[in-house]
Amino acid sequence: SAVISQKPSRDICQRGTSLTIQCQVDSQVTMMFWYRQQPGQSLTLIATANQGSEATYESGFVIDKFPISRPNLTFSTLTVSNMSPEDSSIYLCSDGGGGNEQFFGPGTRLTVL
Amino acid sequence: KQEVTQIPAALSVPEGENLVLNCSFTDSAIYNLQWFRQDPGKGLTSLLLIQSSQREQTSGRLNASLDKSSGRSTLYIAASQPGDSATYLCAVDNYGQNFVFGPGTRLSVLP
Repeated sequence: SAVISQKPSRDICQRGTSLTIQCQVDSQVTMMFWYRQQPGQSLTLIATANQGSEATYESGFVIDKFPISRPNLTFSTLTVSNMSPEDSSIYLCSDGGGGNEQFFGPGTRLTVL
Repeated sequence: KQEVTQIPAALSVPEGENLVLNCSFTDSAIYNLQWFRQDPGKGLTSLLLIQSSQREQTSGRLNASLDKSSGRSTLYIAASQPGDSATYLCAVDNYGQNFVFGPGTRLSVLP
């Protein structure tokens, strides 16, 4: 099973600022996924990140707000831009897809004041 | 559009009971279905993965079944323990396009 780490584990940010979340996988994977989990809610997929191409965003999520980088097969970043209190959530990355078992990072708990 | 529901939303049982969590999905064209456990404020831990061609998977006290044609999966937990208390999520893989999660069942096992 893949081991996935995320940085930071939590952060408290001011309105209008941006935060970049890092996700590291201990093996090479084709696809990485970014999810948001709002308080008391289930997970919602933000985007799929493939190495060497633009991320694919789900309905309701846009690149200007959530830019994603995927510089290699083991690493990805998600930036939450121009934050507002509504962005307070847990952000999780995962690998898998295409019929494979998914593994998740421990999540980044973001609070926006 | 795939939709996933879970019943019940919350469940409280005394220690030692056997219990069943239910997951339903609207589109049967799935690659697989996966059950996860989430402890408060934490990430997700994979419990069981059932491929679309399989009927069930077992791991220890856990057994998950899949009936793709009817759009249902169940997670059976035998001899529940307080350490099983968590939120249980099911997720379906829509042929590698995306994963859709259910809202979860919050389980409390009382000592």
